[in-house]
Amino acid sequence: IAGITQAPTSQILAAGRRMTLRCTQDMRHNAMYWYRQDLGLGLRLIHYSNTAGTTGKGEVPDGYSVSRANTDDFPLTLASAVPSQTSVYFCASSAQSSGANVLTFGAGSRLTVL
Amino acid sequence: GENVEQHPSTLSVQEGDSAVIKCTYSDSASNYFPWYKQELGKRPQLIIDIRSNVGEKKDQRIAVTLNKTAKHFSLHITETQPEDSAVYFCAAANSGNTPLVFGKGTRLSVIA
Repeated sequence: IAGITQAPTSQILAAGRRMTLRCTQDMRHNAMYWYRQDLGLGLRLIHYSNTAGTTGKGEVPDGYSVSRANTDDFPLTLASAVPSQTSVYFCASSAQSSGANVLTFGAGSRLTVL
Repeated sequence: GENVEQHPSTLSVQEGDSAVIKCTYSDSASNYFPWYKQELGKRPQLIIDIRSNVGEKKDQRIAVTLNKTAKHFSLHITETQPEDSAVYFCAAANSGNTPLVFGKGTRLSVIA
């Protein structure tokens, strides 16, 4: 089934640990995005990639890094997790890099940092 | 950059009544305005979108209106049903390589 796969679905993590959230799409979409969702704050963009080999910073990039080695994969890494990074993380993709395109979201990864 | 404000943050309506959610945007270059619905525990999904060359778009019980002069757009849901209960997000973007900017969401509750 075409779409976006995120892993893990849920994770509890000790503060200071390194964590990578995985995101894979099989739709050959050019652009990919990472959002975090917090109650009352909506969907905030962390990082994005308009095409393989390029990345850009979103609204809340601090403490996160991404890479886009190929079209399908867009992992999000927390180098040293802090409790304020407790959130639900959504990966998304769109066919073209223009913002004026439909986003397809993954099912989300719930991360708790203690 | 773009800033999208969304109101109200919560909305309760009786089943069968209409619901209206309003958004304003700051960047006059924005020309694409989608609405996403997120049911509890699920991922956001597009329900309707409008581009700046039209003022209104309808899809069954859902409609979106756009006022470019005032830089605001609204989602209208008529004859609401319990399954319309969800969080709704508006967003705005232009045709360049800048990602969508989302509003903070509206939690709609339809009371049977």
